[in-house]
Amino acid sequence: GEKVEQHESTLSVREGDSAVINCTYTDTASSYFPWYKQEAGKSLHFVIDIRSNVDRKQSQRLIVLLDKKAKRFSLHITATQPEDSAIYFCAASRGTYQRFGTGTKLQVVP
Amino acid sequence: DPKIIQKPKYLVAVTGSEKILICEQYLGHNAMYWYRQSAKKPLEFMFSYSYQKLMDNQTASSRFQPQSSKKNHLDLQITALKPDDSATYFCASSQDGRGHYAEQFFGPGTRLTVL
Repeated sequence: GEKVEQHESTLSVREGDSAVINCTYTDTASSYFPWYKQEAGKSLHFVIDIRSNVDRKQSQRLIVLLDKKAKRFSLHITATQPEDSAIYFCAASRGTYQRFGTGTKLQVVP
Repeated sequence: DPKIIQKPKYLVAVTGSEKILICEQYLGHNAMYWYRQSAKKPLEFMFSYSYQKLMDNQTASSRFQPQSSKKNHLDLQITALKPDDSATYFCASSQDGRGHYAEQFFGPGTRLTVL
């Protein structure tokens, strides 16, 4: 079956550095790629998305890159802060449902 | 005020019993979803509804039955509960009736434990 894979299960960065979380997908018909954040003991909330008609999108300190040929997309968090510590989920959708990756636990250390 | 309400927050059930998980959203959204999160499968899509109609079902077992009595309600009935059903169940919604090209808003979850 189709999959979305997150390559880093955990990631530790120093405060102020950049963090990069990578995802790959198998369904070539995927056209929508959202990212969600889950803080400890809480639910998920949306952070940023990208559609297949663009290859880059930025929202403040968050940048999403999409490489359709490689079927890869990534979330870049610049100038990380302690409140960025959470589990980040990538997802991909072809218009049927959003298929989620396994999550990356990001820890921002002082 | 919470925009997506899930009840109960915690639920303990015995094997073989039946439970209903409640979800109400007050965002005026047209699409609602159920997901399951457990240690085995971090976040697993179960169902999607759009304008109270079932759009997608990725749940193999018929023991899981969504119920939509109102546009902003999507309950989940689980029968013949098994210990493997233990998980946190998240309800979500999105404005877009098609649902899958838009950000989804998640409820706080119901943590189900089956003994």
